[in-house]
Amino acid sequence: QVQLHQSGPGLLKPSQTLSLTCAISGDSVSSNTAAWNWIRQSPSRGLEWLGRTYYRSKWYSDFAVSVKSRITITADTSRNQFSLQLDSVTPEDTAVYYCAGSKLTPVHFDPWGQGTLVTVTS
Amino acid sequence: SYELTQPPSLSVSPGQTASFTCSGDKLGNRYTSWYQQKPGQSPVLVMFQNSKRPSGIPARFSGSSSGNAATLTISETQALDEADYYCQAWDNKAAVFGGGTKLTVL
Repeated sequence: QVQLHQSGPGLLKPSQTLSLTCAISGDSVSSNTAAWNWIRQSPSRGLEWLGRTYYRSKWYSDFAVSVKSRITITADTSRNQFSLQLDSVTPEDTAVYYCAGSKLTPVHFDPWGQGTLVTVTS
Repeated sequence: SYELTQPPSLSVSPGQTASFTCSGDKLGNRYTSWYQQKPGQSPVLVMFQNSKRPSGIPARFSGSSSGNAATLTISETQALDEADYYCQAWDNKAAVFGGGTKLTVL
């Protein structure tokens, strides 16, 4: 049974960088069948997929157009985890952030991490 | 960009059938997944590839898709089914979610 556990700060000031980590148990971050995703949820934007990383002989990433210029998703094979970095945050980035596993295709998200509320305020 | 549309709310009585709709252009040509989210909890996958139930999801949950819509059906709805339900599809290397339907079991 795959489980995901998130960690990272929940309070940021505008212009700072959001950094969250998702630790994987029961699977490998470099699995040849899995992809590792970040999704956020806010009252104004609903559920919003941010991006994913996956390993198929080398590392690949896909990102949502809305955050493509600010987002980085990296994998740490030694710790079996993956991370989200979102640069230059604004109050509009305030949301609950989730990590989630999926297959490459077809894409459905299971499991999900426990969620991290990130608040951006001055 | 691709959009999925869901009615914001649905009310049923215990024991009745709850039917959730998700609309999108030629949605029947894509796979739709459905998630249940209870207050303060992470979403849980309840249906994938239109009509497949993950292990642990009761047989009361079923799904279908055709044309421009996908449907999630809960038969014999119980109070514990009260939650928000979201549909999701994949479009051009990005996941898309519907706005969600809040199910109230009266």
